Amino acid sequence: DAGVTQSPTHLIKTRGQQVTLRCSPKSGHDTVSWYQQALGQGPQFIFQYYEEEERQRGNFPDRFSGHQFPNYSSELNVNALLLGDSALYLCASSLTGTHEQFFGPGTRLTVL
Amino acid sequence: GESVGLHLPTLSVQEGDNSIINCAYSNSASDYFIWYKQESGKGPQFIIDIRSNMDKRQGQRVTVLLNKTVKHLSLQIAATQPGDSAVYFCAESFTGGGNKLTFGTGTQLKVEL
Repeated sequence: DAGVTQSPTHLIKTRGQQVTLRCSPKSGHDTVSWYQQALGQGPQFIFQYYEEEERQRGNFPDRFSGHQFPNYSSELNVNALLLGDSALYLCASSLTGTHEQFFGPGTRLTVL
Repeated sequence: GESVGLHLPTLSVQEGDNSIINCAYSNSASDYFIWYKQESGKGPQFIIDIRSNMDKRQGQRVTVLLNKTVKHLSLQIAATQPGDSAVYFCAESFTGGGNKLTFGTGTQLKVEL
C-alpha cells in the first residue's frame, strides 16, 4: 500500500499565476481533505471532497477550488496566487464515516 | 472561533526520560481527538487517537489522556528517544461536522543525548 501520495513535491510560482496540486488517496479510502500549513503553524482545513463533490469548506476564498475524480484522486487549484499562499499543502484521505485521516507528504508551494 | 491550542511551543527532554505534551481545546462538541507527529519536510503522521467516551488510551510507548471537564488533552511518551524529535500536533473533530480536523500550532519536542 503506497499510502497517500502527492505531486509535485515542490513548486515555485509567481504572483498572479495559477497552480494545480494532485493527490492520490490511500487504497480503500473515498474521502479527500486538503489542508494548508504555513511555516510554524498547524494545518488549516481548506475543503473536503466525497463522491466527487465538495462536502465541507473552511475559511478560504473562492480562488481555492478542487475536484475529485471517480477513482477518488483529487486536485487542488489555486488561482491568482498571492505571496501569502506560500505554504505546505497537505492532502489527507479517509474512509467516509470514520475520523482517522492519513496525510501525504505535502507539496511545498513557493510564490515569488 | 473554536480552536485547539498548545501550552508549550518547545519541549526539551533528555533521552530516556518521559515526555508530556499538553493541549487545550475549546469546542465542547468535539468528540474525537488525534495526536500527530510531524518531522521536518514530511506530512503529519498518526500517533494515537481517543474518543470523548474515554479518559485514557495507550499505545506503544505513548499514552493519551483526555480531561473533558477542563478540555485538556495530553500525550505522554515513555523513554523518549532521539527519533521522537519532531513537532507534535493535537487535532479535534466532532461527529456532525464531518471529519474536518482543527489543529493547534504544535509543540517542538527536542530530545537531548
